Amino acid sequence: DGGITQSPKYLFRKEGQNVTLSCEQNLNHDAMYWYRQDPGQGLRLIYYSQIVNDFQKGDIAEGYSVSREKKESFPLTVTSAQKNPTAFYLCASSGLAGGETGELFFGEGSRLTVL
Amino acid sequence: GEDVEQSLFLSVREGDSSVINCTYTDSSSTYLYWYKQEPGAGLQLLTYIFSNMDMKQDQRLTVLLNKKDKHLSLRIADTQTGDSAIYFCAIDTGRRALTFGSGTRLQVQP
Repeated sequence: DGGITQSPKYLFRKEGQNVTLSCEQNLNHDAMYWYRQDPGQGLRLIYYSQIVNDFQKGDIAEGYSVSREKKESFPLTVTSAQKNPTAFYLCASSGLAGGETGELFFGEGSRLTVL
Repeated sequence: GEDVEQSLFLSVREGDSSVINCTYTDSSSTYLYWYKQEPGAGLQLLTYIFSNMDMKQDQRLTVLLNKKDKHLSLRIADTQTGDSAIYFCAIDTGRRALTFGSGTRLQVQP
């Protein structure tokens, strides 16, 4: 079945460590996104990529890094520079480049907890 | 920049109608969306409305759009306990990515 797969679902990290969250899609979508969700704050955009080998900062990019070497993959690294990394991270993709409605398709999320 | 506002919480009784409201500041949205999030899961698209429409009905869901007041609402008829979730409105300004509201937690009491 087509969809977006995020892994791991749960991740624990010690302070000072970098961690990488995986996001893979087999929907043949050009655009991919990373959002962060905190209680009562909705979703905030971290990074997005509209084409392979290109990505842009969102509203809260500090302390995060991404790469887009393949169309189907958009991993997010949470670095030790991120001051408050404990959150629920959501990856999404869209066929925006194809002139569709712009609907985002979401993965099931990854919950990161810093100990 | 874009700003999307929602109330945080709504409680209704099973069988009643639920109305979730959303206001936004950017008037250039082409599409406006409603997403549903179950606990611990990602978001799923419930419905969307094109900006040149003022109403869209899809089974138990009715979306109303008032462009003049920049107000979007989602009405769920005959609300069931399975409708308990967080509901997000989102707007698409065509610039980069969807902008989401803070989400409204709908609690349905039996």
